[in-house]
Amino acid sequence: RKEVEQDPGPFNVPEGATVAFNCTYSNSASQSFFWYRQDCRKEPKLLMSVYSSGNEDGRFTAQLNRASQYISLLIRDSKLSDSATYLCVVDNAGNMLTFGGGTRLMVKP
Amino acid sequence: DVKVTQSSRYLVKRTGEKVFLECVQDMDHENMFWYRQDPGLGLRLIYFSYDVKMKEKGDIPEGYSVSREKKERFSLILESASTNQTSMYLCASSFLRGRYEQYFGPGTRLTVT
Repeated sequence: RKEVEQDPGPFNVPEGATVAFNCTYSNSASQSFFWYRQDCRKEPKLLMSVYSSGNEDGRFTAQLNRASQYISLLIRDSKLSDSATYLCVVDNAGNMLTFGGGTRLMVKP
Repeated sequence: DVKVTQSSRYLVKRTGEKVFLECVQDMDHENMFWYRQDPGLGLRLIYFSYDVKMKEKGDIPEGYSVSREKKERFSLILESASTNQTSMYLCASSFLRGRYEQYFGPGTRLTVT
C-alpha cells in the first residue's frame, strides 16, 4: 500500500464548477499535511497547508480528518487556470516529505 | 525572489556513463533534496542534505550518490547510468525549521539510452 494515495483522475469539470479531491495516508503518526500544485512541465509549488481545523484561501478549502486519515481539497468556482496536477503531501517528521501521485484537474470552458 | 536552478533541462546519456546533475539555490536554505518523478509513482526522494557535507538516504538511493561541498550547491551523481534511471529529476530546498515548504527547481529530464 502506498503511503499517500490519490485518485490520478483526470477530473474534467466546466468552468465555475466545484470540485473536490481526497487523499489518504497510511502513517497515523504523520504530523503535517499540504497540497502542492504542479502545472504541466513545471515544478511543484506549495498551494496550501492543511490544518486540523480546516483552512480556506480564497476559492480553495483544505480539510484534514485524522480519524479516517484523509485530506481533502475543495475548489469552488473553477477557473481555466486551475488546470494542473494537485499533489497531496505528508510530512512524517525528519525533514522528509512523502508525495502522493497527484490528481490531474482539467477545467474546460 | 526565491530561486532554485538546475544545470540542465534536458540530458541524454549512454548506459554506463557517469552523470552529474547540479542544483544551486540562492535562498541560504539549510536543506536540499533530490527527487525523481515518474508517471504513476509520483515524486520519490533519493537523497537529502541538511548541512554542508551531510547527507541522508531517501526512499530510493540505490545507484545514486550526492555531494554537498557548499551550502548553496547540491549535486546528484549517477556513477554508471542505466536505462531505468531515465526520469525527471527535481531538486528542492527549504529552511531547516520550515521544512514543509520546499522550493523546487525546474527539473532535468534525463534520458539514458
